[in-house]
Amino acid sequence: AQTVTQSQPEMSVQEAETVTLSCTYDTSESDYYLFWYKQPPSRQMILVIRQEAYKQQNATENRFSVNFQKAAKSFSLKISDSQLGDAAMYFCAYRTFYGGSQGNLIFGKGTKLSVKP
Amino acid sequence: NAGVTQTPKFRILKIGQSMTLQCTQDMNHNYMYWYRQDPGMGLKLIYYSVGAGITDKGEVPNGYNVSRSTTEDFPLRLELAAPSQTSVYFCASTLLGSNQPQHFGDGTRLSIL
Repeated sequence: AQTVTQSQPEMSVQEAETVTLSCTYDTSESDYYLFWYKQPPSRQMILVIRQEAYKQQNATENRFSVNFQKAAKSFSLKISDSQLGDAAMYFCAYRTFYGGSQGNLIFGKGTKLSVKP
Repeated sequence: NAGVTQTPKFRILKIGQSMTLQCTQDMNHNYMYWYRQDPGMGLKLIYYSVGAGITDKGEVPNGYNVSRSTTEDFPLRLELAAPSQTSVYFCASTLLGSNQPQHFGDGTRLSIL
């Protein structure tokens, strides 16, 4: 079974600085998706970025980028120019690539990010 | 486009009561999911459905039931509520077979006292 591990329960960053959140996962599959979701205090689950495992190029979305290391099974999220609105819980999640499966997301326990003004 | 709509947003139940959490989506998604999120934890899968009339258990199904009579609706029923079911419940949907991510509802905070 696949597992997702986020080893940093809490992180803190100064406004305008850069922070990296770590995520590792375990799977025997060669094709899959990886996601980072943001959960602000409003508890909405907001998709931040996603990566298809068959793509070697790291995904980027504005100030958010990932460092995807397939061999190491690592998927870290870098937030550049941090803003106060980035403060939230961040969840790393895995999903199998193939249809016919559950297709559900497997989540890590999350990292709580604080942004200091 | 409403996306995934969950009702109610908040509810308090007494031990032993029952209730149904409603979830509806208007994106014609085939897959729907119910997750629960306990404090300080990620989401865990309760039940899922691959289409109308087809449901199956996830990681933590005990104490819950689901049905999927239409593509749009996927209600979650709690029978004999227990304090261990105090949690935040999320419904999600996706079109499997595409590369679409899951779309989440805003969650239901449920307290069992």
